[in-house]
Amino acid sequence: EVHLLESGGGLVQPGASLRLSCAASGITFDTYAMGWVRQAPGSGLEWVSTITASGGNTYYADSVKGRFTISRDNSKNTLSLQMDSLRAEDTALYYCAKGVDNRNYGGFDYWGQGSLVTVSS
Amino acid sequence: QSALTQPAAVSGSPGQSITISCTGTSSDVGGYNSVSWYRQHPGKVPKLMIYDVSRPSGVSNRFSGSKSGNTASLTISGLQAEDEADYYCNSYTRRSTVIFGGGTRLTVL
Repeated sequence: EVHLLESGGGLVQPGASLRLSCAASGITFDTYAMGWVRQAPGSGLEWVSTITASGGNTYYADSVKGRFTISRDNSKNTLSLQMDSLRAEDTALYYCAKGVDNRNYGGFDYWGQGSLVTVSS
Repeated sequence: QSALTQPAAVSGSPGQSITISCTGTSSDVGGYNSVSWYRQHPGKVPKLMIYDVSRPSGVSNRFSGSKSGNTASLTISGLQAEDEADYYCNSYTRRSTVIFGGGTRLTVL
């Protein structure tokens, strides 16, 4: 059974940094692209970032490019999202998601329960 | 980049069929066979229903996807009460990003 467990969320002030982690189990982790999708309170889904299976290619939404960094450790089946220069508009539930394959095509077939990030002074 | 365009709400009676549209441009929906559809019940995690116009294993065959030009569509046949949820489309884009639609609230009357 596939499990994705996010951690690292919390309340931070604008301009601060936060690192989210996602521990994966039940999958051959180094075979699939992984991504982060967020959902602001009462709003729709927003793609944040995707990383390919080897970690060799990363992709970002314009809204986070230059501030967020996605990475993975295939030896530990772990996905991370380093979030710097956080803004109020980054406040959201951040989902870790497994790609259907190794492409950055937007298909995510397993999702974690999400980690809440709140940016407020 | 603007979100893909979905109707804010659709509704149907049990047993009926409904279609939710997802309109983009030739730089996303129209340019690639890479549209996915998700169902999200309130307070729950999104679930992949359609990927590349195909159904993942375990998804009911009442759900089907199609595309014509810059518009993708999700059709749900034989509506059931459990289908009441929010539905989102997404697409790969020419800029190597992924874009979601704004979401559609489906009400089963």
